[in-house]
Amino acid sequence: GAVVSQHPSWVICKSGTSVKIECRSLDFQATTMFWYRQFPKQSLMLMATSNEGSKATYEQGVEKDKFLINHASLTLSTLTVTSAHPEDSSFYICSARKRLAGISHEQYFGPGTRLTVT
Amino acid sequence: AQSVSQHNHHVILSEAASLELGCNYSYGGTVNLFWYVQYPGQHLQLLLKYFSGDPLVKGIKGFEAEFIKSKFSFNLRKPSVQWSDTAEYFCAVNANAGNNRKLIWGLGTSLAVNP
Repeated sequence: GAVVSQHPSWVICKSGTSVKIECRSLDFQATTMFWYRQFPKQSLMLMATSNEGSKATYEQGVEKDKFLINHASLTLSTLTVTSAHPEDSSFYICSARKRLAGISHEQYFGPGTRLTVT
Repeated sequence: AQSVSQHNHHVILSEAASLELGCNYSYGGTVNLFWYVQYPGQHLQLLLKYFSGDPLVKGIKGFEAEFIKSKFSFNLRKPSVQWSDTAEYFCAVNANAGNNRKLIWGLGTSLAVNP
């Protein structure tokens, strides 16, 4: 199998606080993890690509100081939303690609984290 | 820039009707192609994928897709839909170049199947 979990599944926080979201590959090693943001009824927006042991690569328009990504091990990546504001409220999804993906580059998705900033 | 376009944003069908969702991409090189489905309240799941070989790919739940290289297309089909196929469908392309090889996503198609 290829199971990806996210924690928490939903979180409510006050404006100005920081929130950390964890993404774990449960039964495989992932050298690359991706963080997406999904708005209601819209497609996924890639925020950043995270490679184990190196700095994340952020997409254009995504503030790296606001969305801190750490990929410290082959099974865990974290996204920290710093000084959250109501406009950061969204559905955050991570995906992971197997360490020995070969040419497939298939990504396995987590269930997502619903963030609401009040 | 690479892009993926899904022509149908909202589709409404009756059960047993046939389904075809269009997907076109813009990239001249080798690509990997995917269709993902997101059922209401659930996470994204892979329906099918194409890497090489037979351009007609069969996936789960009776879905299939055909890669037509000359048309840069990867349309999703199902001969007879069911109410349980109500979901969001996303086409994605992975250009086989570069180190990260990120997925480029279409905007999605919302399918509603009436019982």
